[in-house]
Amino acid sequence: QVQLQESGPGLVKPSETLSLTCAVSGFSISRGYWWGWIRQPPGKGLEWIGSVYHSGTTRNNPSLKSRATISIDTSRNQFSLKVTSLTAADTAVYYCARGLSAGDPSWGRGMLVTVSS
Amino acid sequence: FMLTQPHSVSESPGKTITISCTRSSGNIASNYVQWYQQRPGSAPTTVIFEDNQRPSGVPDRFSGSIDSSSNSASLTISVLMTEDEGAYYCQSYDSDNHVVFGGGTTLTVL
Repeated sequence: QVQLQESGPGLVKPSETLSLTCAVSGFSISRGYWWGWIRQPPGKGLEWIGSVYHSGTTRNNPSLKSRATISIDTSRNQFSLKVTSLTAADTAVYYCARGLSAGDPSWGRGMLVTVSS
Repeated sequence: FMLTQPHSVSESPGKTITISCTRSSGNIASNYVQWYQQRPGSAPTTVIFEDNQRPSGVPDRFSGSIDSSSNSASLTISVLMTEDEGAYYCQSYDSDNHVVFGGGTTLTVL
């Protein structure tokens, strides 16, 4: 059974860049699927950030105005997210997930990222 | 496009509820709809995928459907239990694999 685990800093300063990694176990990401990042500000709903296909093709949510970059590393069976120019509005629980457009989606447990000086 | 859900719904234990998810543009039947349950403090879990498929372990009290006439999807939960309380989100995508979530519906089982 596939498992996803987010990792990265829990606290970042305004204007800095957030880097998160999603480690995948129980499934080889090179086999297929879109792999995505989703965030949820405290008390609010889910927001899709972007996705990456096993080939490296990406799709991003225009609402982040090109601040988000997603990449995939099939050799390490993981994919990553970078968000630049952070503000307090980027404070959220960040989730990684597999297969939001086909198959039975699987989600990581999520990690809280706080943007504060 | 957007997916619009009711903000909240409440019902008594043992009853049946239906949560709607209306797509603003494009054909609801063109791209699969997923439904997620999220309890407070926990990650979302899938209760319906590909419009009407239940993951293993999800009880058959949960069912999903789509209605092209209203361009909407629906999640129906029968024989409501208190453990069904939480937020429910619908999700779909467009032809270019841009993902969209509905705003979420809070279910209260009184």
